[in-house]
Amino acid sequence: DGGITQSPKYLFRKEGQNVTLSCEQNLNHDAMYWYRQDPGQGLRLIYYSQIVNDFQKGDIAEGYSVSREKKESFPLTVTSAQKNPTAFYLCASRWDGALHFGNGTRLTVT
Amino acid sequence: QKEVEQNSGPLSVPEGAIASLNCTYSDRGSQSFFWYRQYSGKSPELIMFIYSNGDKEDGRFTAQLNKASQYVSLLIRDSQPSDSATYLCAVRGGGFKTIFGAGTRLFVKA
Repeated sequence: DGGITQSPKYLFRKEGQNVTLSCEQNLNHDAMYWYRQDPGQGLRLIYYSQIVNDFQKGDIAEGYSVSREKKESFPLTVTSAQKNPTAFYLCASRWDGALHFGNGTRLTVT
Repeated sequence: QKEVEQNSGPLSVPEGAIASLNCTYSDRGSQSFFWYRQYSGKSPELIMFIYSNGDKEDGRFTAQLNKASQYVSLLIRDSQPSDSATYLCAVRGGGFKTIFGAGTRLFVKA
């Protein structure tokens, strides 16, 4: 089955710790994206990547980092510099103009 | 800042009625317009896209686009309780960034 897999579904971390969210796709899509969603708000773009070994900052990149070493993988690291990391994180790939999302990772930092 | 605006709702309609969801956008250069449905706790799912002025129908869904007025809408005919969800409007310009509205909560009463 083709799709976008995010793991884990739920993640709990202590404040001050870095954490990496996984995003894997087997759709052979070039473009991949990370969004963040907070309650009552729309999706906000963190980072995006058009091709392997290249990525660009989105609107809220501070406190986050990414890598794109393989076409299939686009992991997101939430660093201790991110002031409010608790959120629902969504990874997507783009096909024929539209974004298609994974199931998301809900991160809670206490 | 390019924006996408939606009424947060909730919009409440009786079962079998037409639900009308509206969205305005600020970037006149926007080229692609999307509607996503998001159930509580889940990731967004693409339900419609439209690129040209006018109407586009797919089953019970109709997307309407008016670029002169910078307005896009989604009509859901014969609304069902299973249509109860948050509907996100998304807009993409000529580049790679897709901007999302905060969403409209729809509640279909049985």
